[in-house]
Amino acid sequence: NAGVTQTPKFQVLKTGQSMTLQCAQDMNHEYMSWYRQDPGMGLRLIHYSVGAGITDQGEVPNGYNVSRSTTEDFPLRLLSAAPSQTSVYFCASSYGVGVTEAFFGQGTRLTVV
Amino acid sequence: RKEVEQDPGPFNVPEGATVAFNCTYSNSASQSFFWYRQDCRKEPKLLMSVYSSGNEDGRFTAQLNRASQYISLLIRDSKLSDSATYLCVVNSGNSGAGSYQLTFGKGTKLSVIP
Repeated sequence: NAGVTQTPKFQVLKTGQSMTLQCAQDMNHEYMSWYRQDPGMGLRLIHYSVGAGITDQGEVPNGYNVSRSTTEDFPLRLLSAAPSQTSVYFCASSYGVGVTEAFFGQGTRLTVV
Repeated sequence: RKEVEQDPGPFNVPEGATVAFNCTYSNSASQSFFWYRQDCRKEPKLLMSVYSSGNEDGRFTAQLNRASQYISLLIRDSKLSDSATYLCVVNSGNSGAGSYQLTFGKGTKLSVIP
């Protein structure tokens, strides 16, 4: 099994550019989420989804959009990149909502200049 | 008060030592508890779930004290390969569909020294 696949692994953006981070899972998990990880801050939830067609905001949603058109895919879109969005982004999926193991993708290291 | 608090470390211990990590959480409604391990520049991976009665997996023992809202992880006979950051993770336990979210501590860094 591929598990959770994130692309790209690395990205450099200029301020104001937009881009989409891709996330796909092949485990038929209903629950998917996006986190960002910054030094000294731990992982913070950006957006999450409990199933196709359903998304909700996490702790730090500003500047990001998500959609969930299929069970497998949960892309994260940066609308207008800012230096404050420089971070490592992780996508995760789990069978249940918060009570079962979360599987993470390998992460996307994003730098906004 | 942060929802999940951990001592950031670093903990530098010699091989073979026993080391303990502590974690406190603020939401008394939390229902599920985990320890994740994160290697440098890698994704977090589940180390073990934490059950009310305490549980053990080889050299690793996890304990939960709901009354004190406290979680611990004990590593015995430390190996070089145990060097990583250990994340305390709590399910927020809010009611309503879709409101069960994982809250991560900032992590405790462990370095096991030869």
